[in-house]
Amino acid sequence: DAKTTQPPSMDCAEGRAANLPCNHSTISGNEYVYWYRQIHSQGPQYIIHGLKNNETNEMASLIITEDRKSSTLILPHATLRDTAVYYCIVRASMEYGNKLVFGAGTILRVKS
Amino acid sequence: NAGVTQTPKFRVLKTGQSMTLLCAQDMNHEYMYWYRQDPGMGLRLIHYSVGEGTTAKGEVPDGYNVSRLKKQNFLLGLESAAPSQTSVYFCASRGDRGSYEQYFGPGTRLTVT
Repeated sequence: DAKTTQPPSMDCAEGRAANLPCNHSTISGNEYVYWYRQIHSQGPQYIIHGLKNNETNEMASLIITEDRKSSTLILPHATLRDTAVYYCIVRASMEYGNKLVFGAGTILRVKS
Repeated sequence: NAGVTQTPKFRVLKTGQSMTLLCAQDMNHEYMYWYRQDPGMGLRLIHYSVGEGTTAKGEVPDGYNVSRLKKQNFLLGLESAAPSQTSVYFCASRGDRGSYEQYFGPGTRLTVT
C-alpha cells in the first residue's frame, strides 16, 4: 500500500474553507485516494474518494494533483461539527478484501 | 435500517476471562471487518471476512478469533483476555467488491484489568 503523510493537526475558523493536505508520493496507477473522518468517540465516516479527477459531493471536494502524488480535501464552509480526525487512505479499490489501513490522520479543530 | 450495530457498548474483563463481541449489519453486505483503536492512534485491522463462512487475518490478529456463520453477523472472540487488549473495537461492513464505502458501527469500549 502507498504510504500517506498528513499534518498532525490544523485549525480552521468557522465558516471558512478547511483545506486538508495529504502526500502519497508512492501511489500506484490503480490506487484510489479515500478520505474518512472520525468524530470523537464515534466510528469513522466515509467522506469521498477519487482516482485522478477532482471529485465533489455534498460533504466535500477532493483535489488530486496531476501527478497524483498529493491531494487536498476541502470542506467549503467548516462548522464546529466538522471538528474531527481526518484520515487520508490510499488503496486499490478492487483489492481482495479492500482492507483500509488507517494512519494517525489530521486533527481538524474548527473554532468559532 | 439500523446499519451496523455492536454489542455490548462497554465491558470490563479480568485478565484471563473470555468474551465475544457481536457485530450485526442489516444491509446485506458481503464484507465485514473488525478494527481496534488505541488512544491517539489510527484504526488497526484485526480480522475480516469476504463472505459468509469465510475469515482472514488482518494486521493484528493474535489473541483474537472470529466467525461468520451468518452473513449479517461477524463475531470477535477473546479466549483469554490480556491488559494489552484494552481498546475500542469497531466493526465495519462493505457491500461488494465494487463498492468503496465502509460503514462503521459505534464501537465497543473494552477494559481488561
